[in-house]
Amino acid sequence: GEDVEQSLFLSVREGDSSVINCTYTDSSSTYLYWYKQEPGAGLQLLTYIFSNMDMKQDQRLTVLLNKKDKHLSLRIADTQTGDSAIYFCAESGGYSSASKIIFGSGTRLSIRP
Amino acid sequence: NAGVTQTPKFQVLKTGQSMTLQCAQDMNHNSMYWYRQDPGMGLRLIYYSASEGTTDKGEVPNGYNVSRLNKREFSLRLESAAPSQTSVYFCASSDPPGTGDNEQFFGPGTRLTVL
Repeated sequence: GEDVEQSLFLSVREGDSSVINCTYTDSSSTYLYWYKQEPGAGLQLLTYIFSNMDMKQDQRLTVLLNKKDKHLSLRIADTQTGDSAIYFCAESGGYSSASKIIFGSGTRLSIRP
Repeated sequence: NAGVTQTPKFQVLKTGQSMTLQCAQDMNHNSMYWYRQDPGMGLRLIYYSASEGTTDKGEVPNGYNVSRLNKREFSLRLESAAPSQTSVYFCASSDPPGTGDNEQFFGPGTRLTVL
């Protein structure tokens, strides 16, 4: 079945760039997402990329997609304390199954002063 | 717009008790979902409803039932709670497949403890 994997923890210094990596198994994925979850809250969509793109930039966020290796990454430039959260990688397949989104386990990003 | 709302925010049950988690959305979305979130396991889909009048099992449906009461409301019922159902439960909603980016909007969650 479909699977999405990501490392559980990442610690970076304030002002540095954070890179969160993710791998997925479903080659028919149509959308790939990054969701952010702050403490005690639900998930909020941060950004997403279509499977026919290889890069998307949105202010401090850069998403890179390597479809051949089924690898997705999220780069946060100039990481701030407000970026501390859990980041979930997720994918959804073709339109016939687009109701379902498969989430990774989440990467907890912590910021060092 | 309130978005997706869930009640209650917190609940403690004894083993064997039953309860219903309520979810409502005011974004006119067709699709609604129930997830559970456990440490180190991400979100796992319990049930979803692609449109009013339909429900389907997700990854972990055992021990749960759902009702899509109308387009706005999707409830999750635990008939006989077990300690393994201690978790944080999230409801979400989205536009129908193919009509957008399939972004799911999440409620704030219900933290359930079963003793």
